[in-house]
Amino acid sequence: GESVGLHLPTLSVQEGDNSIINCAYSNSASDYFIWYKQESGKGPQFIIDIRSNMDKRQGQRVTVLLNKTVKHLSLQIAATQPGDSAVYFCAETENTDKLIFGTGTRLQVFP
Amino acid sequence: DAGVTQSPTHLIKTRGQQVTLRCSPKSGHDTVSWYQQALGQGPQFIFQYYEEEERQRGNFPDRFSGHQFPNYSSELNVNALLLGDSALYLCASSLDVLPGGYTFGSGTRLTVV
Repeated sequence: GESVGLHLPTLSVQEGDNSIINCAYSNSASDYFIWYKQESGKGPQFIIDIRSNMDKRQGQRVTVLLNKTVKHLSLQIAATQPGDSAVYFCAETENTDKLIFGTGTRLQVFP
Repeated sequence: DAGVTQSPTHLIKTRGQQVTLRCSPKSGHDTVSWYQQALGQGPQFIFQYYEEEERQRGNFPDRFSGHQFPNYSSELNVNALLLGDSALYLCASSLDVLPGGYTFGSGTRLTVV
């Protein structure tokens, strides 16, 4: 498949370590946030979401933290696996309006 | 249960030509949104269709137009293609009464030469 991002910020982690991917969002009125994973040749895949009335939400091996004061979002992946290697995007939306995507971060997992 | 289906997967067109991309939404979804993803960037919202009408539009010229059919499938048309239109075009479907549940297709890779 084709690469979805040739010049993206890259995070390299060793298999088994925890990963933290950060995102700054733009609209202080955004009320819903989503993290997507995008592998080469594929569309964005939903990972986890959070609404603005929360500051933390946990899923399976993933946690999203929201800091509305500084308009910052982070995705934590526990025990990172080779299959987690992909480009990760945060997206924001206001009143279920259009999704606004961040620039993306490439996660590389080494054995 | 099929997810979002887009066709074709790849397409090469010449500058000035017109192109039509197609999207079948996930079963049960009634809203279709289109995004353009240039290489190395995040997807950019083009427009959204609901009840066969364009409900929202991003910052794209009128060369970009669309349509939604009664079965909720959708088309994206781009006229007078420019080299800068080369990108991955993504379709996302959702259910209007359940906001946030977007499902993306794998996209159509358009190359304009």
